[in-house]
Amino acid sequence: DQQVKQNSPSLSVQEGRISILNCDYTNSMFDYFLWYKKYPAEGPTFLISISSIKDKNEDGRFTVFLNKSAKHLSLHIVPSQPGDSAVYFCAASQPGNTPLVFGKGTRLSVIA
Amino acid sequence: NAGVTQTPKFRVLKTGQSMTLLCAQDMNHEYMYWYRQDPGMGLRLIHYSVGEGTTAKGEVPDGYNVSRLKKQNFLLGLESAAPSQTSVYFCASRQGTNQPQHFGDGTRLSIL
Repeated sequence: DQQVKQNSPSLSVQEGRISILNCDYTNSMFDYFLWYKKYPAEGPTFLISISSIKDKNEDGRFTVFLNKSAKHLSLHIVPSQPGDSAVYFCAASQPGNTPLVFGKGTRLSVIA
Repeated sequence: NAGVTQTPKFRVLKTGQSMTLLCAQDMNHEYMYWYRQDPGMGLRLIHYSVGEGTTAKGEVPDGYNVSRLKKQNFLLGLESAAPSQTSVYFCASRQGTNQPQHFGDGTRLSIL
């Protein structure tokens, strides 16, 4: 049973517009959430994270929103750039030393 | 600033052969992880370690063994390679809970 779900396998956005990537989770024990970006032939790169005590975290063009009641988080990229084209993974973890649980990823294509 | 280094980057094996993938991190991280990535499946955890001398099974451990004899190294072994183990393997490490994982660039393994 998937605990972290990314229901959109792919997303296309025009350069300069907003990209919104979504992620849903089922485990109410998750308290730390992350987004990773992955280019072909490279490992995933950490992008941004949020603790469950917050509902928003911002870093430059990237903002992550957390809605605990809906068990939903989203990543907003504004403005989108062609270099943002990659696969984005959502991940979550519980308190303690349990590993991160990853979603299956969303492929973002930013079209110039 | 090497971070997480995986050796080798590519390998082709015949069915039944054995091999060991090496992961080395220079960040003094406690936790280390091995994942495999297959099309449409996201990142699936094979085995992980929460400290030197410890290992634990992840989501897909069958056919693999691991060892963490030194804090900086995490080895993934395939005892008798099977075509189903053709995949891209990623190693990751992190310092502790509520910290991001840092990934290597992967090992692409093909088993004929």
